[in-house]
Amino acid sequence: NAGVTQTPKFQVLKTGQSMTLQCAQDMNHNSMYWYRQDPGMGLRLIYYSASEGTTDKGEVPNGYNVSRLNKREFSLRLESAAPSQTSVYFCASRTSGRAGGYNEQFFGPGTRLTVL
Amino acid sequence: GIQVEQSPPDLILQEGANSTLRCNFSDSVNNLQWFHQNPWGQLINLFYIPSGTKQNGRLSATTVATERYSLLYISSSQTTDSGVYFCAVGIIQGAQKLVFGQGTRLTINP
Repeated sequence: NAGVTQTPKFQVLKTGQSMTLQCAQDMNHNSMYWYRQDPGMGLRLIYYSASEGTTDKGEVPNGYNVSRLNKREFSLRLESAAPSQTSVYFCASRTSGRAGGYNEQFFGPGTRLTVL
Repeated sequence: GIQVEQSPPDLILQEGANSTLRCNFSDSVNNLQWFHQNPWGQLINLFYIPSGTKQNGRLSATTVATERYSLLYISSSQTTDSGVYFCAVGIIQGAQKLVFGQGTRLTINP
């Protein structure tokens, strides 16, 4: 049981290049999330997927797109990378509790992205 | 939106000391989690504690939901406790999105 996995671990891009960050979970969770963490700050939500087939914007969605490929996989795409997108990106998934139930989120190891 | 404030922002202690980290939040929540981010950047789940008290070894946490705060206690600190501790809260609306505080950076000196 690997939990939440992310690839790649590190990436360096030039301004204007595109790339896709991959995330997969093997815990049969319905909900998945993408966060970014800038230096000295807490995490901020980019996009989330409450269930397979749905995606919604979070707090900082500009410059990103997402795809919920299936129940296990949730990818984040940067179409035209900018230096402001230099950050550490975390994927998370949540236990499938209903409102008022058990709702713990579990995080992957992160992808450290630098845009030059 | 909901605001999450953590205090203190930085804490430097000697090995063996005890510490209390605080998390205040501005609205009702049905999810509260404490994380430890280690020096390698990994986020480690410490507690899922929307209310009540839990203990895990030298760590314990208490959330008083009606007064909108949570406390994380670390006893007999070890150097491996160093890192950043984050509190994050979630609300029922919007698929349980977590809102993070700014973190408390804890440094334990030998």
